[in-house]
Amino acid sequence: EPEVTQTPSHQVTQMGQEVILRCVPISNHLYFYWYRQILGQKVEFLVSFYNNEISEKSEIFDDQFSVERPDGSNFTLKIRSTKLEDSAMYFCASRQKETQYFGPGTRLLVL
Amino acid sequence: AQSVTQPDIHITVSEGASLELRCNYSYGATPYLFWYVQSPGQGLQLLLKYFSGDTLVQGIKGFEAEFKRSQSSFNLRKPSVHWSDAAEYFCAAHGGATNKLIFGTGTLLAIQP
Repeated sequence: EPEVTQTPSHQVTQMGQEVILRCVPISNHLYFYWYRQILGQKVEFLVSFYNNEISEKSEIFDDQFSVERPDGSNFTLKIRSTKLEDSAMYFCASRQKETQYFGPGTRLLVL
Repeated sequence: AQSVTQPDIHITVSEGASLELRCNYSYGATPYLFWYVQSPGQGLQLLLKYFSGDTLVQGIKGFEAEFKRSQSSFNLRKPSVHWSDAAEYFCAAHGGATNKLIFGTGTLLAIQP
């Protein structure tokens, strides 16, 4: 069964560094999402992406964040200058009809 | 504002006992409703979903959920839990023009022998 994959599974970075989180959505899906889950908190929507454009973003998704689909398979989330409060699990999802399918997540730790 | 509420943060049940996890939603109209499960160190796996029609929906791993419009609820049930069901369970919804999922805070399920 096809599934969403994410790399890396864990990333440790220094505050102020740039990170790129990578996702490979399910191949015939057209809508892509990033969510994050700060430890002990609920899963929060960051951004949705369709047809090479952001279709919706939350207030969390400020100028430090960007998304890109650089080729036909990858979907990336870049954090330009990480802050301590960016430490979280980041989930990618892709959607078919009304259902979103999630990847295993990338745990980001900012020191 | 749209919201999803899971009143129980933590539940412990005995192996073989029945389970019900509560979920309430607040939306202008009936949203699309989902239950996801997150095992330790794992991602979010879809258990089941409700869009319309039969209000009792069946999912994977022996789970089912019942949609009750009058109570704005979508509770998850399982007749007999197994130790492998220990995980965190998230109720989520989306509706209207946006497909972004709004999640509840999750219910952590522990199974005692």
